Amino acid sequence: DQQVKQNSPSLSVQEGRISILNCDYTNSMFDYFLWYKKYPAEGPTFLISISSIKDKNEDGRFTVFLNKSAKHLSLHIVPSQPGDSAVYFCAASGGSGDKLTFGTGTRLAVRP
Amino acid sequence: ETGVTQTPRHLVMGMTNKKSLKCEQHLGHNAMYWYKQSAKKPLELMFVYSLEERVENNSVPSRFSPECPNSSHLFLHLHTLQPEDSALYLCASSETTGRGEKLFFGSGTQLSVL
Repeated sequence: DQQVKQNSPSLSVQEGRISILNCDYTNSMFDYFLWYKKYPAEGPTFLISISSIKDKNEDGRFTVFLNKSAKHLSLHIVPSQPGDSAVYFCAASGGSGDKLTFGTGTRLAVRP
Repeated sequence: ETGVTQTPRHLVMGMTNKKSLKCEQHLGHNAMYWYKQSAKKPLELMFVYSLEERVENNSVPSRFSPECPNSSHLFLHLHTLQPEDSALYLCASSETTGRGEKLFFGSGTQLSVL
């Protein structure tokens, strides 16, 4: 039973345009959400996070939006750059345990 | 460079072999983790150590045996593995095991079991 779902395994975007990566969760006890980015042959690196008391968090070109009623969050990258091409993982924590629950990832390809 | 170093980067082993994965963190963190990443599956938490004490064992088979001799080093000892254990094994660290703690990952060990 996957509690964090990234239903799009891949996404291709033109350089300069917006990339939108989506994540859905089922556990209503999750109250903290993170995005990690992973390049080939490297481990995931932290990108941005959001607490459930907020509905938006922005850091430079990256913005995460949280819709608690829909149990949905999204990561917006604008403008997209070729160096953003990577696998993006959504993760959530909260409830009975503090461990992070990860999604399966979305592979983003930014075309020059 | 994330401050978490894993060796080896690649490992091929037979089902009867014994090998160990090593992880070292230079961040002064108190918590260390082992994760498994299989193709098209989410990252799966295997073990959590806080201040060298194992605080979670996520129903991992006994053929995987972790060891944390100090807060900077973490090992995963492998013996009599199965082909389905082939995966990327990631080590991570964090300041504490608190809710939402940011994890710092190593580059992983790509394990193939023949």
